Amino acid sequence: GENVEQHPSTLSVQEGDSAVIKCTYSDSASNYFPWYKQELGKRPQLIIDIRSNVGEKKDQRIAVTLNKTAKHFSLHITETQPEDSAVYFCAAPSGGGADGLTFGKGTHLIIQP
Amino acid sequence: EAGVAQSPRYKIIEKRQSVAFWCNPISGHATLYWYQQILGQGPKLLIQFQNNGVVDDSQLPKDRFSAERLKGVDSTLKIQPAKLEDSAVYLCASSSRNSPYEQYFGPGTRLTVT
Repeated sequence: GENVEQHPSTLSVQEGDSAVIKCTYSDSASNYFPWYKQELGKRPQLIIDIRSNVGEKKDQRIAVTLNKTAKHFSLHITETQPEDSAVYFCAAPSGGGADGLTFGKGTHLIIQP
Repeated sequence: EAGVAQSPRYKIIEKRQSVAFWCNPISGHATLYWYQQILGQGPKLLIQFQNNGVVDDSQLPKDRFSAERLKGVDSTLKIQPAKLEDSAVYLCASSSRNSPYEQYFGPGTRLTVT
């Protein structure tokens, strides 16, 4: 099955700076990579995703890049704001013909005022 | 469009007791998932339904966990008997047939086993 590694586990940045979270995956057949944001006590929310036929996708201050050769993908948040503080999870399809996702362990992003 | 609904939101039980969780997916979503999220970890898939059939239950501890989706809409997840290590948030998610990987989560049920 798929194995997803996520780094760092905690990331503290100054408000206005950029944040980068990185993930690696093991199954070269994986073709969809979502990112979820989870605020304390809330549900995970899909914030951006990327499919294997593109190398980069951007949505306002959030972007995701994918390197299929190296089997890693990254989340980039620019001009960070206090409301960006949350736990971010990357994921990849678990494989085996089903549609479930395998999640990374999460990155706690802290925006310092 | 209404989101995924779950109940109860919180449940506290003693070990060896049984508990059931309910989920109502987004209208029209054929695929329903149950995930277990232990504190400080990412969600872990327990079971996936496509309509009322099980697609993947390879990570479901079948000696104590069971799930059903009899009419292809609502689903229930049951634990019997519960263990201390079952303390977690149980998240239900759903996705459409056209975009199976775009999964939308419910608010979850926080289970505490004492």
